[in-house]
Amino acid sequence: GAVVSQHPSWVICKSGTSVKIECRSLDFQATTMFWYRQFPKQSLMLMATSNEGSKATYEQGVEKDKFLINHASLTLSTLTVTSAHPEDSSFYICSARPSVFQVTQFFGPGTRLTVL
Amino acid sequence: DAKTTQPPSMDCAEGRAANLPCNHSTISGNEYVYWYRQIHSQGPQYIIHGLKNNETNEMASLIITEDRKSSTLILPHATLRDTAVYYCIVRVALTGNQFYFGTGTSLTVIP
Repeated sequence: GAVVSQHPSWVICKSGTSVKIECRSLDFQATTMFWYRQFPKQSLMLMATSNEGSKATYEQGVEKDKFLINHASLTLSTLTVTSAHPEDSSFYICSARPSVFQVTQFFGPGTRLTVL
Repeated sequence: DAKTTQPPSMDCAEGRAANLPCNHSTISGNEYVYWYRQIHSQGPQYIIHGLKNNETNEMASLIITEDRKSSTLILPHATLRDTAVYYCIVRVALTGNQFYFGTGTSLTVIP
């Protein structure tokens, strides 16, 4: 149980384009999902908290207009990187907190974004 | 949230117990201790969590000191597949539950 998937697992795009990353909880409902970014040889950095049916809460320094988050259902959250630039190249990871087991959260496998 | 301190790296011989320490001296009474690990280029994997009692599951044991200022994750019989970065996180449960990751401990299991 408690499986989280992400799609795509990797993506390469041109500078200036937008990229959408999906995060799905496969066997549970998640009222809250989280998005992280990880640069090479660094730790995970929390970008935003996504709540189903409401606006995401962004961490300080994260541009909400650049990283659009939509949590339209209890099993799906999407992160759209708008007008991507090479410095946005990173490993994007989502996690979800099951409604029943609220004390912990489970992570997706990550999405490797490369912006050329 | 309480900050955590972990050694940057550790080695462990295959088949031996790996003991990974975490210091969280400013932990408050309602904060849980969570352990996750991240194998290269994968998402973090949940290992175990606890509040004040020692915990054990099929993956590991978590030993929390009586004053809760530190804890130790124990992998009883380390294998090469346990080579990963291990993160200790302290967080109040049920309140946002955002996780802020530190630098973790890079554990290398040596054949």
